[in-house]
Amino acid sequence: GESVGLHLPTLSVQEGDNSIINCAYSNSASDYFIWYKQESGKGPQFIIDIRSNMDKRQGQRVTVLLNKTVKHLSLQIAATQPGDSAVYFCAENTGGFKTIFGAGTRLFVKA
Amino acid sequence: NAGVTQTPKFRILKIGQSMTLQCTQDMNHNYMYWYRQDPGMGLKLIYYSVGAGITDKGEVPNGYNVSRSTTEDFPLRLELAAPSQTSVYFCASLRTADSYEQYFGPGTRLTVT
Repeated sequence: GESVGLHLPTLSVQEGDNSIINCAYSNSASDYFIWYKQESGKGPQFIIDIRSNMDKRQGQRVTVLLNKTVKHLSLQIAATQPGDSAVYFCAENTGGFKTIFGAGTRLFVKA
Repeated sequence: NAGVTQTPKFRILKIGQSMTLQCTQDMNHNYMYWYRQDPGMGLKLIYYSVGAGITDKGEVPNGYNVSRSTTEDFPLRLELAAPSQTSVYFCASLRTADSYEQYFGPGTRLTVT
C-alpha cells in the first residue's frame, strides 16, 4: 500500500550546522514529492517540491534530494537557524491529487 | 487575500452530536482538501475536491461527509461524533494542477467526549 515514513522522529542540531531530514516512501508510482514545515499550533507550510523525474532541487537554504532506486527522499537545510525549529513532513502525490503525508520529524536547533 | 480560513478554531462535542467544519478560500483554487492530524502524527487525508460539484474519498473518509457547491467553500460534516474523531482538522487548497504547493488553514481543534 501507499506509505511515507521517516527514519528519525527527532533531530537535534547546533545552530549554524546543516540539517538533513530523511524520508522513505514505498509507492514507486508517486510523481511528486513535497516537504512541509509545521510550527507549533499552525498549519503546515510548503517548503519545496520535486518531480519524480528529477534527483535534486534547490531552494533558498534548502535542497531536496530524491533517490528513486532506494525510494528515499531527503531535505537538507543549510546553516540551520532557531527559526527552523519545527516538525518537517515529507509527502508524496501519486498523480491523482491525493497527497499522503508521513509522520514527521521534529527538528530542534540548539543555540 | 485572506487565504484559507477555517471556523471554528475550537469545539467540544458530545458523543453522537453533529457539526460542520467550515472552510473557505479566496484564491480561486480548484483543488481543496480536508486532513486530520492526531497528536504526534502526520496528516491523514479525509476527502478532497478537484472542483465545484466533485468530491472524492481520501484515506480516512468514514464518519465524514463533504460538499463543494462553490469554488470557495468546502465544508466538512460530522454526523455522529465519536471519540475517535478527536483531532485537529486542517483544510487546504492547491494552487494549480502543475503545482503541489498546498495552502493550509489554521486548523480546527475538535474534542469529542
